[in-house]
Parts: sequence; structure tokens; C-alpha cells
Amino acid sequence: KAGVTQTPRYLIKTRGQQVTLSCSPISGHRSVSWYQQTPGQGLQFLFEYFSETQRNKGNFPGRFSGRQFSNSRSEMNVSTLELGDSALYLCASSLRQGWPGGYTFGSGTRLTVV
Amino acid sequence: ELKVEQNPLFLSMQEGKNYTIYCNYSTTSDRLYWYRQDPGKSLESLFVLLSNGAVKQEGRLMASLDTKARLSTLHITAAVHDLSATYFCAVDIPADSWGKLQFGAGTQVVVTP
Repeated sequence: KAGVTQTPRYLIKTRGQQVTLSCSPISGHRSVSWYQQTPGQGLQFLFEYFSETQRNKGNFPGRFSGRQFSNSRSEMNVSTLELGDSALYLCASSLRQGWPGGYTFGSGTRLTVV
Repeated sequence: ELKVEQNPLFLSMQEGKNYTIYCNYSTTSDRLYWYRQDPGKSLESLFVLLSNGAVKQEGRLMASLDTKARLSTLHITAAVHDLSATYFCAVDIPADSWGKLQFGAGTQVVVTP
């Protein structure tokens, strides 16, 4: 059974550019959440999508956005990149809230902004 | 706002000895998750605890949940080098979080001979 697939694995961008990250959940999972992990702030929730609808959003500026497609694949976009956006971005998929299987995380995308 | 506190943040373990990591959270919830992360890697799910009194064990690791005390523990029995990693607990709030996990800061575990 395929896991959660994130692409690309590594990305180097210049300040001011924009970037799009992709996440394909486990087949049948309709919930996709995104997290940012940095050494200073730890793991922080960005947003969650379920059936193409954003249901929850964390405390990040509007430069961070996302969407989900009808096949449950999700993308997140960061515009006008800043040095502080350098982080490991993780997505997680789940069947539903409270599901005993919990949340499964992808391998992550390591973004470096220079 | 839900706060999740782990302690200790760093744990130096001797092989063969037993240790416990604590996870306290500030708001009522009966869903708690434990993850392991190796350096530069993603989060690997260890345990999903979904009710008060839940206890799960896998190999040398055992996790429990006391929702009344808002406390979960991860107990490590007879530590071995392979258990060196960072361990995170995470909590979500029913009917409010919609897929949002609040993570603790993580406990970095180093196991030495």
C-alpha cells in the first residue's frame, strides 16, 4: 500500500520567488494537513483540507496558501519567499477525525530559501 | 489555545535501563499520538491513543493515556541504541481541530553503551 508522497524532496529558492509543494495522500484518504517544521518553532500547523475544502488554518501569513483537488491530492504555495520560510514541510493524510489509524506523514519537502 | 508540553526535552539513556517521557496537555482531549523522528527524516507513527486508560505496546516502547490528568507517558524498557531519535507527542481536540495536531517540542533521546 503506497504511503503519503511528497514532491519535490528538496528545493532551493531565492528570496522573493514563489514555490509550490505537492502531497498525494494514501489512497482513500480525504483529509490532508500541512505542517512546517523548523528548529526554532518546532512543528506548526499550516492548514487542513477535506474533500477540496479548507476546514482549518493555522497562524501563518496569507503568503501561505493551499488547495486540494478532487483526487485528494493537495498543493501548498508560498509566495514572496523569505529566508525564514526555510523549513521542512510535511503533509499528513488521514481517513477521518478520530480514526484509529491516526495521521500518516509523508517524507517531507526540505525548502531552503537563499 | 491547546498547549502540549513534553519533558524532558533531552534524555541521555544508558543501554539496558528504563526511562519515561511525559506529555502534558492543557485542554480536554481523548486523542493523543506519539511519533518518532530520525534526523532529517519524516515522522513515523508509533502509537494512536483514543480513549482514557488506553495502553499500547510495541517492542520496548509502551504508551499510555490518562485523559483526566491530561497526561500521556512513553515508557522505554531496556533502552538500545536503535531507539536514539526525537520523540513527539501530539494532541487534537474533537470537533474543533479538523485535522490539526498540536505537537509538543519533542524529546531528543540519545542512547549510549
